[in-house]
Formats: sequence, structure tokens, C-alpha cells
Amino acid sequence: GAVVSQHPSWVICKSGTSVKIECRSLDFQATTMFWYRQFPKQSLMLMATSNEGSKATYEQGVEKDKFLINHASLTLSTLTVTSAHPEDSSFYICSAGRGLAGGLAYEQYFGPGTRLTVT
Amino acid sequence: AQKVTQAQTEISVVEKEDVTLDCVYETRDTTYYLFWYKQPPSGELVFLIRRNSFDEQNEISGRYSWNFQKSTSSFNFTITASQVVDSAVYFCALSEASEYGNKLVFGAGTILRVKS
Repeated sequence: GAVVSQHPSWVICKSGTSVKIECRSLDFQATTMFWYRQFPKQSLMLMATSNEGSKATYEQGVEKDKFLINHASLTLSTLTVTSAHPEDSSFYICSAGRGLAGGLAYEQYFGPGTRLTVT
Repeated sequence: AQKVTQAQTEISVVEKEDVTLDCVYETRDTTYYLFWYKQPPSGELVFLIRRNSFDEQNEISGRYSWNFQKSTSSFNFTITASQVVDSAVYFCALSEASEYGNKLVFGAGTILRVKS
């Protein structure tokens, strides 16, 4: 159990266009989903925390108008990169959170990632 | 703020050697979780272990073992008799409490290359 999918797995788009990435929890409900970005040979950096039915919480330095996050249901969150530029080329990974027993923490289940290339 | 340090950027070993990946963390929380993930060339993160701050017992899973020491704020990962398939990037992560759940703070990662 606890499978998370992402679509598409890779995408190439032209500079100035927008790209939408979907993250789905397939066999559990996730009130919280997380979006990470990973540049080549670097670590994962949290971009935003997405909560079902409310606005996303963005990390410092992440432009919320450029990276639009929608968490419309308990199994789906979307990340839209608006007016993409080559510097937005990266590996985008989502995770879906499921509470652990005792409510002390979330277990995050990661999607397979989406490789975005902006030309 | 929480921080995770993986001082080893890259390690190369020959197959069947043992290798230890270091992880040192900083946190002010008394309750926290530590994780190790493997990221093979495909990019998908593979969960290896979760350890809570109240459980300092070492854990062994096959060729993998973990040493958690709160006194030194370390959570090291050892692979015994390494294999070529172990080649990947390994991330140590710390769970940080936030308003909407627990955010993960990742270390920079250690690239492990196992040569045959």
C-alpha cells in the first residue's frame, strides 16, 4: 500500500509555456502533500506544503505565483509551473503524507518524480 | 532550524567491502524522526528506514544496519558486503514539525559507487 503516482514522468516544453504536474495517492487519502525540487547532483528542496481545501504554504524563496499548487481532493495535488523558463528545468518530486500512529509525524510516500526540461 | 549534514560527498568502494555513510543532524525538537532514502539513477526515492527520537536501538535489515546515537546527534548507515546494485545516492533526512504536518529536511546526499 501507500503508492503515489506522478504524471507526466517527463515533459519538455518551450520557454514561456505552462506545465501541469499531477500527484496522486492511489490507495490512501492524503490531507497533506509536499512538492520538492531537485536540481542535478543536488539534494531535494521542499518547495511547498499542500493541504486539501486550503492554500499551499510556500517555502522561503519560492514564487507562489510561478508555482501554482492546487490540492482539490484528498488524493490529488497539482503543481503548475507558469511561464516556464530554462532555469525551471529540474526534477520535481511530490510526496503524500499519511499520519503515523500516535499522531507524532507523517510518513511521506514519494512519487517517482517528473523531469521537466524547458527549451 | 533543523539541519542535516552528510559530510561524505562521494564514496567509492570495491564490491564486498563494508561501507558506512555518515549523517549528523541538528534539531531543537525533543520528538523527531530520522530517515534514510536511496535514490538510484532512475530518480525514484526508495525508503530504507525511519527511526524516532525515543528509540536508540540499532537496527539491522539484511546487509543494512543503522547506528543511532543521540549523544552525538548521528544516524549512520552501514552496508555490509556491498554490491554493485547498491550504487546510488543516499539521503539522510530529519522530520521537522510544522503547522501542517512534518516537513522533511534532507542532507546533501552521499553518492556511493560500488565497483565490481
